This record gives sequence, structure tokens and C-alpha cells, in this order.
Amino acid sequence: ETGVTQSPTHLIKTRGQQVTLRCSSQSGHNTVSWYQQALGQGPQFIFQYYREEENGRGNFPPRFSGLQFPNYSSELNVNALELDDSALYLCASSPHSGAQFSYNEQFFGPGTRLTVL
Amino acid sequence: AQRVTQPEKLLSVFKGAPVELKCNYSYSGSPELFWYVQYSRHRLQLLLRHISRESIKGFTADLNKGETSFHLKKPFAQEEDSAMYYCALRRSGGYQKVTFGTGTKLQVIP
Repeated sequence: ETGVTQSPTHLIKTRGQQVTLRCSSQSGHNTVSWYQQALGQGPQFIFQYYREEENGRGNFPPRFSGLQFPNYSSELNVNALELDDSALYLCASSPHSGAQFSYNEQFFGPGTRLTVL
Repeated sequence: AQRVTQPEKLLSVFKGAPVELKCNYSYSGSPELFWYVQYSRHRLQLLLRHISRESIKGFTADLNKGETSFHLKKPFAQEEDSAMYYCALRRSGGYQKVTFGTGTKLQVIP
């Protein structure tokens, strides 16, 4: 059983560009959540995907979008990058989390460090 | 709105001393509370959740709804406890959105 993997490890973009970050879920997990962690802050929830559909979103603008694929891997896309988007982006997968009333432990990836210049 | 406050950025204790990492939350409904830990060069991972009422690695946390607190405690700190600790909240019955605090770095001095 492999854990959550993310790519790339780090990247540098300039303001106004677009970026795509990738996440492979842990085996058997069908739900993926994305978090943004700015320096010195805790992770902030961006959104969650279950069965290829977004089923929860935090306070992030529409230029943050995502996809989940049939194999449960996921992408986070950010358009029109701003300097404040510089952060560590974490992906977390969990099993059978479509049910609203139960919490299943989220397993985090190592993160992608994004720097916007 | 849900909010989690961890008032201490850094907590330094000597090995063998008691540890208490403070966490207060703001939420009008019934929350689920968690503690996550991140050891150096490791991933963020769940330490414990209040529903389980369990002790993990000697750590315990009690949900105090009157004081809206969920402090993490351990009677005797060990060097391997040095890490970043995050308190987190989820709306009970909601989807998987978890709100994290800003974290407290625990430093155990040998």
C-alpha cells in the first residue's frame, strides 16, 4: 500500500501565470481534500472531491479549481497567480468520505511548495 | 464561522515535565475536535480525536464545551515529542472540511 504522493515537490511561477499541482491518493481512498498552508500558518481548506465531484469548498476564489479522476488522483489548478498564493499546498486522501455524517482520517501528502514571484 | 486558536507559537519544556498545549475554538454548533502532529521532515498526521477518547503516545485531550477548549496534555514530556502540533475542528455531521489552528511548536529540552 502506497501513501499519498504529490508532484512536483516545488516550483516557481511568476504573477499572472497558471499552475497545476497533482496528487495521487492512498490506495483504496476515494476522497481528496486540498489545503493551502502559508508560512507560519495552519493548513487552510480549499476544497474536497469525492467521486470526481467537488463536494465542499473553503473561502477561496474561483481561480482555484480542481479535478478528480476515475482512479481518484486529483489536480489543483490555480489561474492568474498572485504573490499571496505562495504557500505549501497539501493534498489529503481519505476512504469512504462521501457520507456526510462520518469523519474518516485524512492522510496527508508531503506537499508542493509554490513560490510566486 | 468556525475558528481555532492556539495562543502559543512555541512551547519549551524540559524532558520529564508536564506538557499542555492550549487550543480554544469558536463554533456555534457541535464540533468534532482533533489534534494533528507534524514531526520534523515528516507528514502531517492525525494524533487523536475527541470522539475516540483515547490516549495516543501518552497524550490525552478533553473537550470542554463550557470553556470551548480542547487542550492537549501529557504528564511527562519526552524528547521524541518535539514537533509541530495543530488543533483542528470539523463541523459534526458536515463534510470533511477541517479548520486548523496556527500550530504550536513543542520543544522538549533534554
